[in-house]
Amino acid sequence: NAGVTQTPKFQVLKTGQSMTLQCAQDMNHEYMSWYRQDPGMGLRLIHYSVGAGITDQGEVPNGYNVSRSTTEDFPLRLLSAAPSQTSVYFCASSRDRGRLSEKLFFGSGTQLSVL
Amino acid sequence: SQQGEEDPQALSIQEGENATMNCSYKTSINNLQWYRQNSGRGLVHLILIRSNEREKHSGRLRVTLDTSKKSSSLLITASRAADTASYFCATDEERSGTASKLTFGTGTRLQVTL
Repeated sequence: NAGVTQTPKFQVLKTGQSMTLQCAQDMNHEYMSWYRQDPGMGLRLIHYSVGAGITDQGEVPNGYNVSRSTTEDFPLRLLSAAPSQTSVYFCASSRDRGRLSEKLFFGSGTQLSVL
Repeated sequence: SQQGEEDPQALSIQEGENATMNCSYKTSINNLQWYRQNSGRGLVHLILIRSNEREKHSGRLRVTLDTSKKSSSLLITASRAADTASYFCATDEERSGTASKLTFGTGTRLQVTL
C-alpha cells in the first residue's frame, strides 16, 4: 500500500517563484491536511479539507492556496515563494470526515528551501 | 499559538530504562494523540486517548490523561535504541460545528543509548 505520497522530496526555489507540492493518498480518506514543520515550532496546520470541493484555513494559511477536486489529491500551491516559507512540509490524511477521532497518516515530507 | 507543550524538550536515557514525556495543553479537547518522528521522516501515530479516558496502554506504551490539569503523559517502558526519535502530542480541540484541527506540540527529543 502506498499510503500518503508526497512529491517532490526536495525543492529549492528563488524568491518570487511559484510551485505546487503534490499530495496523493490511496486510502479513500475524506480528511486531508497540510502542515509545516520548523525547528522548535512543532507542526503548524496550513490548510485542511474534509472532502472533495471543501477546504478551510488552518493556523498559518497566508501565502498558500489549496484545492480539492478529487478525494485522492490535495495539492498545496505557493504563489510567490518567500524565504519565510523555507520549511519541511507534511501532508496527512484521515478516514474521519468531521470530528477527527481517527489517527492521521503522514507522508514522508517535502523539504523546501527558498533563497 | 501552540496548543500543546511537551516537557522535557530533550531526554537522554540508557537502553532498558523507562522514558516519561509530558504534554500540557490549553483548551478543552475531544482527544489527545501521541506521534513519533524518526529523523527526516514523517510522523507515525502511536496512541489516541479520548477525553473520557484516563489511561491507555499499547505494548510498551502507557498514556495517561488528566483533563482537570489539561495534561497527558507518555511512558515508554524498557526503552530500546530504536525508540530514539522525537515524540509529539497532538490535541483535537473541542469545537462545536466545525471540523477538527489537530494541533501539535513542539515535541520531546528522546535519545536512547546502549
